Amino acid sequence: GAVVSQHPSRVICKSGTSVKIECRSLDFQATTMFWYRQFPKQSLMLMATSNEGSKATYEQGVEKDKFLINHASLTLSTLTVTSAHPEDSSFYICSAHGDAETQYFGPGTRLLVL
Amino acid sequence: DAKTTQPPSMDCAEGRAANLPCNHSTISGNEYVYWYRQIHSQGPQYIIHGLKNNETNEMASLIITEDRKSSTLILPHATLRDTAVYYCIVTDAGGTSYGKLTFGQGTILTVHP
Repeated sequence: GAVVSQHPSRVICKSGTSVKIECRSLDFQATTMFWYRQFPKQSLMLMATSNEGSKATYEQGVEKDKFLINHASLTLSTLTVTSAHPEDSSFYICSAHGDAETQYFGPGTRLLVL
Repeated sequence: DAKTTQPPSMDCAEGRAANLPCNHSTISGNEYVYWYRQIHSQGPQYIIHGLKNNETNEMASLIITEDRKSSTLILPHATLRDTAVYYCIVTDAGGTSYGKLTFGQGTILTVHP
């Protein structure tokens, strides 16, 4: 199947700082990528849809000014958590369609905000 | 997207077949059934998907009932590494919900020696 990578795999930051997470499709091009968030013992929740060359589409309740998404190329989408706070600590996962019917996920990035 | 119902947990002996059920009684004609699994602290892994015919790949088999209201994921020879949370998701892959996978709570499958 198609391979999606994320960097970093884990990050610890201080409250108030910004953190950037990269999502790359390694062996295919993705005009659309997706960002999910997963809190401990909970399921994945879609945060936003990242569209190459245009603005991201955010799910209801997700602050677009706090979670900045940039999809500058067909293989890279970035999620920046601005002014991070402890409640933003979570597991962030991206995904992309490797083909028309199947979505593949990255390994996830664990964010801890102190 | 149609809602799915899965048992919260199941056990399986190593080497035996694991049969994971999923109910999706409100599925519509253009919606596919997808199965993903998530091993602890990793991103979800695609397993298999189907529309109405049974499907098989190197990982698993997917059996969809004729009325499409339920399905079963079969891991033919479960190993300890198959211990994970298994998610059954119904979505119209290329339609209006393109890419929007709605994850429920899934089934925690524990494979024991």
